[in-house]
Amino acid sequence: AQSVSQHNHHVILSEAASLELGCNYSYGGTVNLFWYVQYPGQHLQLLLKYFSGDPLVKGIKGFEAEFIKSKFSFNLRKPSVQWSDTAEYFCAACMDSNYQLIWGAGTKLIIKP
Amino acid sequence: DGGITQSPKYLFRKEGQNVTLSCEQNLNHDAMYWYRQDPGQGLRLIYYSQIVNDFQKGDIAEGYSVSREKKESFPLTVTSAQKNPTAFYLCASRRGLTEAFFGQGTRLTVV
Repeated sequence: AQSVSQHNHHVILSEAASLELGCNYSYGGTVNLFWYVQYPGQHLQLLLKYFSGDPLVKGIKGFEAEFIKSKFSFNLRKPSVQWSDTAEYFCAACMDSNYQLIWGAGTKLIIKP
Repeated sequence: DGGITQSPKYLFRKEGQNVTLSCEQNLNHDAMYWYRQDPGQGLRLIYYSQIVNDFQKGDIAEGYSVSREKKESFPLTVTSAQKNPTAFYLCASRRGLTEAFFGQGTRLTVV
């Protein structure tokens, strides 16, 4: 079955630490990949997306993600986190021409000031 | 401004009642979705619609119903058959296979 898994449900970091959140999908065909962020009390916002081309994609607020096809991964990274990055992060995938988005369970990120 | 509007933001329901959550979009998107968000479970798909007058069940459709009479509107009814309706409900819309845009959500509480 098609699925998306996020490795960590909770991550706690100090400000200025580097961040990497894992995301793996299970599907051998064409995928479109997304990272969304949900700040406390706010709606889901798109951070970045990958459809094709350069596997390293840059998003808003200094985030980037790398698509590694051989590892079925799309990990989210940020070199130096800020307290304002405290939020829940969701990875999602659209596989082939399926109109559904398959979602990971989310990772709650807490940044200690 | 284009976007998705969900109403109400907070909703309280007595046991045994049906309630309807509103979702309106002015993005001219064909596809619309309803998700339920519970802590630690991510987003679970309730129903989705790719076109007017057509919709499909998602993973957790039992106890819910929808309609899609207009492109802009995709209301969700939480029926009394839904055993655990207290949750955060998110509506989204999408054009083709691009990213989804989300509303602010409705928090439903059964009292």
